Amino acid sequence: EIVMTQSPATLSVSPGERATLSCRASQSVSSNLAWYQQKPGQAPRLLIYGASTRATGIPARFSGSGSGTEFTLTISSLQSEDFAVYYCQQYNNWPPETFGQGTKLEIK
Amino acid sequence: EVQLVESGGGLVKPGGSLRLSCAASGFTFSSYSMNWVRQAPGKGLEWVSSISSSSSYIYYADSVKGRFTISRDNAKNSLYLQMNSLRAEDTAVYYCAGDRGHFDYWGQGTLVTVSS
Repeated sequence: EIVMTQSPATLSVSPGERATLSCRASQSVSSNLAWYQQKPGQAPRLLIYGASTRATGIPARFSGSGSGTEFTLTISSLQSEDFAVYYCQQYNNWPPETFGQGTKLEIK
Repeated sequence: EVQLVESGGGLVKPGGSLRLSCAASGFTFSSYSMNWVRQAPGKGLEWVSSISSSSSYIYYADSVKGRFTISRDNAKNSLYLQMNSLRAEDTAVYYCAGDRGHFDYWGQGTLVTVSS
């Protein structure tokens, strides 16, 4: 089973600033990596797939990069609606499809 | 508009059973693999089970293998999860999700609480 590790667990950033979230896989997942956003009481929403492709309707301020075992989600200029929990997920070696433990992005 | 609507959650005693349903609309259900993903209170996301578009391939997490059964009815655009021998650690919100590797579509979830 591939273990996904996200860092940091909590990230405090001011609105308008850049946020950088990290995700590391225990072995290579190629570019088969997705990012999801989850707000309280809501289902997760797909942001990024293929490590760097934005899903339909996702604003350009969200970008993903990386391949192999190291991945990054960058939010270029934080808006109030971006404060949420973010999960990475690998779908290269499955089952099981595995998620990171999440990074909580909070307002500084 | 894509919609996935789960139902069937509730309070059940340890050792009991529940059947979850997920009604899909707004996309070609029969072309998608479907999954159940759960989230325990205050915790992260855990994949539970997957079924291919034609039901040819079915997979389970080790934590539910032998207790849960996933199925689908493409004629009814519906996904199911039969949960038996429920344990306290199965308490979670259960989401159905449509996937092409990554989970494109998610329902709003249904809460399953296992408690005496």
